[in-house]
Amino acid sequence: AQSVSQHNHHVILSEAASLELGCNYSYGGTVNLFWYVQYPGQHLQLLLKYFSGDPLVKGIKGFEAEFIKSKFSFNLRKPSVQWSDTAEYFCAVDLGSIKAAGNKLTFGGGTRVLVKP
Amino acid sequence: DAGVIQSPRHEVTEMGQEVTLRCKPISGHDYLFWYRQTMMRGLELLIYFNNNVPIDDSGMPEDRFSAKMPNASFSTLKIQPSEPRDSAVYFCASRSTPGQANTEAFFGQGTRLTVV
Repeated sequence: AQSVSQHNHHVILSEAASLELGCNYSYGGTVNLFWYVQYPGQHLQLLLKYFSGDPLVKGIKGFEAEFIKSKFSFNLRKPSVQWSDTAEYFCAVDLGSIKAAGNKLTFGGGTRVLVKP
Repeated sequence: DAGVIQSPRHEVTEMGQEVTLRCKPISGHDYLFWYRQTMMRGLELLIYFNNNVPIDDSGMPEDRFSAKMPNASFSTLKIQPSEPRDSAVYFCASRSTPGQANTEAFFGQGTRLTVV
Protein backbone atom coordinates (compact mmCIF):
# COMPACT_ATOMS: atom_id res chain seq x y z
CA ALA A 1 0.00 0.00 0.00
CA GLN A 2 1.17 3.50 -0.73
CA SER A 3 2.23 5.84 2.04
CA VAL A 4 3.25 9.47 2.19
CA SER A 5 5.81 11.06 4.48
CA GLN A 6 6.19 14.73 5.21
CA HIS A 7 9.44 15.40 6.97
CA ASN A 8 8.67 18.62 8.76
CA HIS A 9 5.78 18.81 11.20
CA HIS A 10 6.21 22.50 11.95
CA VAL A 11 7.98 25.29 10.09
CA ILE A 12 8.34 28.85 11.31
CA LEU A 13 9.72 31.52 9.05
CA SER A 14 9.55 35.22 8.40
CA GLU A 15 7.84 37.00 5.56
CA ALA A 16 9.84 37.04 2.33
CA ALA A 17 11.74 33.92 3.32
CA SER A 18 11.77 30.97 0.96
CA LEU A 19 9.80 27.86 1.79
CA GLU A 20 10.43 24.25 0.90
CA LEU A 21 8.38 21.38 2.27
CA GLY A 22 9.45 17.82 1.75
CA CYS A 23 7.21 14.99 0.62
CA ASN A 24 8.17 11.40 -0.13
CA TYR A 25 5.92 8.57 -1.14
CA SER A 26 6.38 4.83 -1.20
CA TYR A 27 5.15 3.29 -4.41
CA GLY A 28 7.17 2.23 -7.39
CA GLY A 29 4.59 2.62 -10.11
CA THR A 30 2.74 5.49 -11.71
CA VAL A 31 1.31 7.95 -9.25
CA ASN A 32 -0.71 11.12 -9.14
CA LEU A 33 0.62 13.67 -6.66
CA PHE A 34 -1.07 16.58 -4.97
CA TRP A 35 -0.44 19.37 -2.53
CA TYR A 36 -3.35 20.71 -0.56
CA VAL A 37 -3.49 23.66 1.80
CA GLN A 38 -5.72 24.10 4.82
CA TYR A 39 -6.02 27.62 6.18
CA PRO A 40 -7.01 27.93 9.84
CA GLY A 41 -10.55 26.76 10.37
CA GLN A 42 -11.12 25.92 6.72
CA HIS A 43 -11.30 22.86 4.51
CA LEU A 44 -8.57 21.51 2.27
CA GLN A 45 -8.01 23.26 -1.02
CA LEU A 46 -5.85 22.15 -3.92
CA LEU A 47 -2.59 24.03 -4.43
CA LEU A 48 -1.27 22.01 -7.33
CA LYS A 49 -1.24 18.57 -8.86
CA TYR A 50 0.95 16.34 -10.97
CA PHE A 51 -0.41 13.66 -13.27
CA SER A 52 2.20 13.47 -16.02
CA GLY A 53 4.43 15.60 -18.23
CA ASP A 54 6.66 18.40 -16.99
CA PRO A 55 7.86 17.41 -13.51
CA LEU A 56 7.94 21.04 -12.42
CA VAL A 57 4.40 21.99 -11.60
CA LYS A 58 3.19 25.48 -10.92
CA GLY A 59 0.18 26.04 -8.73
CA ILE A 60 -1.79 28.87 -7.26
CA LYS A 61 -0.44 31.67 -5.07
CA GLY A 62 3.12 31.33 -6.35
CA PHE A 63 3.65 27.76 -5.22
CA GLU A 64 5.43 25.16 -7.29
CA ALA A 65 6.48 21.56 -6.79
CA GLU A 66 8.98 19.29 -8.44
CA PHE A 67 8.41 15.62 -9.04
CA ILE A 68 11.65 13.63 -8.85
CA LYS A 69 10.76 10.08 -9.69
CA SER A 70 14.15 8.63 -8.76
CA LYS A 71 13.79 10.05 -5.27
CA PHE A 72 10.07 9.36 -4.89
CA SER A 73 9.72 12.98 -3.92
CA PHE A 74 7.34 15.84 -4.63
CA ASN A 75 8.65 18.83 -2.69
CA LEU A 76 6.70 22.06 -2.46
CA ARG A 77 8.40 25.43 -2.81
CA LYS A 78 7.63 29.11 -2.68
CA PRO A 79 10.39 31.68 -3.20
CA SER A 80 8.95 34.35 -0.93
CA VAL A 81 6.22 33.66 1.61
CA GLN A 82 3.64 36.02 2.97
CA TRP A 83 1.88 36.11 6.30
CA SER A 84 -1.24 34.83 4.53
CA ASP A 85 0.59 31.58 3.72
CA THR A 86 0.22 30.55 7.35
CA ALA A 87 -1.59 27.24 7.03
CA GLU A 88 -1.19 23.49 7.14
CA TYR A 89 0.09 21.85 3.99
CA PHE A 90 -0.66 18.28 2.97
CA CYS A 91 0.95 16.12 0.35
CA ALA A 92 -1.20 13.35 -1.13
CA VAL A 93 -0.82 10.48 -3.56
CA ASP A 94 -2.94 8.00 -5.44
CA LEU A 95 -2.09 5.38 -7.98
CA GLY A 96 -3.93 7.05 -10.82
CA SER A 97 -5.47 3.79 -11.82
CA ILE A 98 -8.69 3.32 -13.67
CA LYS A 99 -9.38 0.57 -11.18
CA ALA A 100 -11.23 1.71 -8.12
CA ALA A 101 -8.83 0.08 -5.71
CA GLY A 102 -6.02 2.23 -7.06
CA ASN A 103 -7.68 5.48 -6.26
CA LYS A 104 -7.22 5.48 -2.53
CA LEU A 105 -6.12 9.04 -1.94
CA THR A 106 -3.57 8.93 0.84
CA PHE A 107 -2.34 12.00 2.70
CA GLY A 108 0.85 12.73 4.55
CA GLY A 109 0.80 13.90 8.13
CA GLY A 110 0.81 17.57 7.20
CA THR A 111 3.21 20.43 7.88
CA ARG A 112 2.10 23.42 9.87
CA VAL A 113 3.66 26.60 8.52
CA LEU A 114 3.69 29.79 10.52
CA VAL A 115 4.83 32.93 8.75
CA LYS A 116 5.76 35.73 11.09
CA PRO A 117 4.97 39.23 9.86
CA ASP B 1 -21.79 23.65 -8.76
CA ALA B 2 -21.97 24.37 -5.05
CA GLY B 3 -19.15 21.99 -4.29
CA VAL B 4 -19.17 19.18 -1.76
CA ILE B 5 -21.81 19.88 0.85
CA GLN B 6 -21.63 18.50 4.35
CA SER B 7 -24.09 18.75 7.17
CA PRO B 8 -24.22 19.59 9.93
CA ARG B 9 -21.23 21.95 10.21
CA HIS B 10 -21.08 21.45 13.95
CA GLU B 11 -22.44 18.68 16.11
CA VAL B 12 -22.28 18.40 19.87
CA THR B 13 -23.65 15.22 21.35
CA GLU B 14 -23.49 13.22 24.51
CA MET B 15 -21.53 10.04 24.81
CA GLY B 16 -23.59 7.04 23.80
CA GLN B 17 -25.77 8.90 21.35
CA GLU B 18 -25.99 8.10 17.65
CA VAL B 19 -24.44 10.63 15.30
CA THR B 20 -25.08 10.86 11.57
CA LEU B 21 -22.95 12.98 9.28
CA ARG B 22 -24.12 13.73 5.77
CA CYS B 23 -22.41 14.47 2.50
CA LYS B 24 -23.54 15.49 -0.96
CA PRO B 25 -20.74 15.07 -3.51
CA ILE B 26 -20.24 17.15 -6.61
CA SER B 27 -22.58 16.04 -9.35
CA GLY B 28 -20.89 13.66 -11.78
CA HIS B 29 -18.14 12.61 -9.40
CA ASP B 30 -17.99 8.86 -8.97
CA TYR B 31 -15.65 8.68 -5.99
CA LEU B 32 -16.50 9.74 -2.47
CA PHE B 33 -14.11 9.76 0.49
CA TRP B 34 -14.64 10.17 4.22
CA TYR B 35 -11.70 11.49 6.26
CA ARG B 36 -11.26 12.23 9.94
CA GLN B 37 -8.90 14.93 11.15
CA THR B 38 -7.52 15.21 14.67
CA MET B 39 -4.53 16.93 16.16
CA MET B 40 -3.04 13.65 17.28
CA ARG B 41 -3.59 11.51 14.18
CA GLY B 42 -3.77 14.05 11.37
CA LEU B 43 -5.92 13.31 8.34
CA GLU B 44 -7.08 9.68 8.21
CA LEU B 45 -8.99 8.05 5.39
CA LEU B 46 -11.91 6.17 6.87
CA ILE B 47 -13.63 4.76 3.81
CA TYR B 48 -14.13 5.49 0.14
CA PHE B 49 -16.76 4.60 -2.42
CA ASN B 50 -16.74 4.23 -6.18
CA ASN B 51 -20.07 4.33 -7.95
CA ASN B 52 -21.78 4.02 -4.57
CA VAL B 53 -19.90 0.83 -3.70
CA PRO B 54 -17.50 0.78 -0.73
CA ILE B 55 -14.01 0.00 -2.03
CA ASP B 56 -11.85 0.23 1.07
CA ASP B 57 -13.14 0.56 4.61
CA SER B 58 -9.93 -0.48 6.33
CA GLY B 59 -9.65 2.91 7.94
CA MET B 60 -12.95 2.64 9.79
CA PRO B 61 -11.80 2.50 13.39
CA GLU B 62 -14.43 0.28 14.94
CA ASP B 63 -17.74 -1.41 14.36
CA ARG B 64 -19.34 1.63 15.89
CA PHE B 65 -18.62 3.40 12.61
CA SER B 66 -20.60 2.70 9.47
CA ALA B 67 -20.96 4.47 6.14
CA LYS B 68 -23.47 4.18 3.36
CA MET B 69 -23.95 5.62 -0.08
CA PRO B 70 -27.51 4.82 -1.17
CA ASN B 71 -27.20 6.86 -4.36
CA ALA B 72 -24.74 8.95 -6.32
CA SER B 73 -25.69 12.17 -4.59
CA PHE B 74 -25.73 11.24 -0.93
CA SER B 75 -23.60 9.52 1.68
CA THR B 76 -23.78 9.15 5.44
CA LEU B 77 -21.26 8.34 8.12
CA LYS B 78 -22.83 7.04 11.29
CA ILE B 79 -21.31 6.56 14.73
CA GLN B 80 -23.31 4.48 17.17
CA PRO B 81 -22.70 4.75 20.06
CA SER B 82 -20.48 7.81 20.04
CA GLU B 83 -17.56 8.25 22.43
CA PRO B 84 -15.51 11.31 23.43
CA ARG B 85 -12.52 10.02 21.46
CA ASP B 86 -14.60 10.32 18.29
CA SER B 87 -14.40 14.09 18.61
CA ALA B 88 -12.78 15.35 15.41
CA VAL B 89 -13.46 17.15 12.17
CA TYR B 90 -14.92 14.81 9.58
CA PHE B 91 -14.37 15.71 5.94
CA CYS B 92 -16.08 14.37 2.87
CA ALA B 93 -14.42 14.65 -0.53
CA SER B 94 -15.36 13.67 -4.06
CA ARG B 95 -13.59 13.28 -7.38
CA SER B 96 -14.07 11.87 -10.85
CA THR B 97 -12.30 8.86 -12.34
CA PRO B 98 -8.66 9.40 -13.37
CA GLY B 99 -8.34 9.84 -17.09
CA GLN B 100 -11.00 12.48 -17.07
CA ALA B 101 -10.48 16.17 -16.45
CA ASN B 102 -10.23 17.60 -12.96
CA THR B 103 -9.40 14.41 -11.14
CA GLU B 104 -8.29 16.03 -7.93
CA ALA B 105 -10.47 15.55 -4.89
CA PHE B 106 -12.69 18.40 -3.75
CA PHE B 107 -13.37 18.70 -0.05
CA GLY B 108 -16.41 19.79 1.85
CA GLN B 109 -16.28 22.27 4.71
CA GLY B 110 -16.25 19.49 7.27
CA THR B 111 -18.32 18.59 10.29
CA ARG B 112 -16.82 19.40 13.64
CA LEU B 113 -18.03 16.71 16.03
CA THR B 114 -17.74 17.08 19.78
CA VAL B 115 -18.79 14.19 21.98
CA VAL B 116 -19.11 15.11 25.64
